[in-house]
Amino acid sequence: RKEVEQDPGPFNVPEGATVAFNCTYSNSASQSFFWYRQDCRKEPKLLMSVYSSGNEDGRFTAQLNRASQYISLLIRDSKLSDSATYLCVVNRREAGRRALTFGSGTRLQVQP
Amino acid sequence: DAMVIQNPRYQVTQFGKPVTLSCSQTLNHNVMYWYQQKSSQAPKLLFHYYDKDFNNEADTPDNFQSRRPNTSFCFLDIRSPGLGDAAMYLCATSRDSGLAGREQFFGPGTRLTVL
Repeated sequence: RKEVEQDPGPFNVPEGATVAFNCTYSNSASQSFFWYRQDCRKEPKLLMSVYSSGNEDGRFTAQLNRASQYISLLIRDSKLSDSATYLCVVNRREAGRRALTFGSGTRLQVQP
Repeated sequence: DAMVIQNPRYQVTQFGKPVTLSCSQTLNHNVMYWYQQKSSQAPKLLFHYYDKDFNNEADTPDNFQSRRPNTSFCFLDIRSPGLGDAAMYLCATSRDSGLAGREQFFGPGTRLTVL
C-alpha cells in the first residue's frame, strides 16, 4: 500500500461545478498536511496547508480527518484556470528525521 | 523577489557522463531539498539538508550525491547517469523550526535528458 494515495483522475468538470478530491495516508504519525498545485511541466506550488480544524481560502476548502487518515480538498465554482494536477503532501518526523511524501496527484480538467 | 533558482533549466548529458545540477535561494531558508519527478508521477524526495545536516532517503541510489557549501547553494551530482535517471529535478526550500514541517518553495526545475 502506498503511503499517500490519491485518485489520479482525471476529473473532467464544467465551469462552475464543485469538485472534491480525497487523499489517504497510511502512517498515523503524520503531522502536517498540504495541498500543492502543479501545472503541466511546471514546479509544484503551495495551494494551502491543511489544519485539524479545517480551513478555507476563497473557493477552496481543505479538511483533515485524523481518525480516518484522510484529507480532502473542495473547489467551488470551478474556473478554467483551476485545471492542474493537485498533489497531496504528508509530512512526519521519525527517528529524528523528517519524511515528506507526495501523492501522485489528481488531475483536474475544467471545461467551458 | 526572493526565490529559488535552478540552473540549467534543461540539461542534456550522455550515458555515464557525470552531471551537476545547481540550486540557489535568496529566501535564507535553512532546509533545502532535492526531488526527482518522472512523467505523471509524484515528486520523489532524494535527500535534504537541514542546515548542514545531510539526510539521505533510504532508497536514493548511491549514484546521486549532494553538496551544500553554504546556506544559499545546493548541488545535485549524478556520478554516472543512466537512461532511467532522465527526469525533472526539483529543488525546494523551507524555513523549518524543527517541528512538523513548513511550506516548501520550489524552483522551476531542471529537466535532464540522458542520451
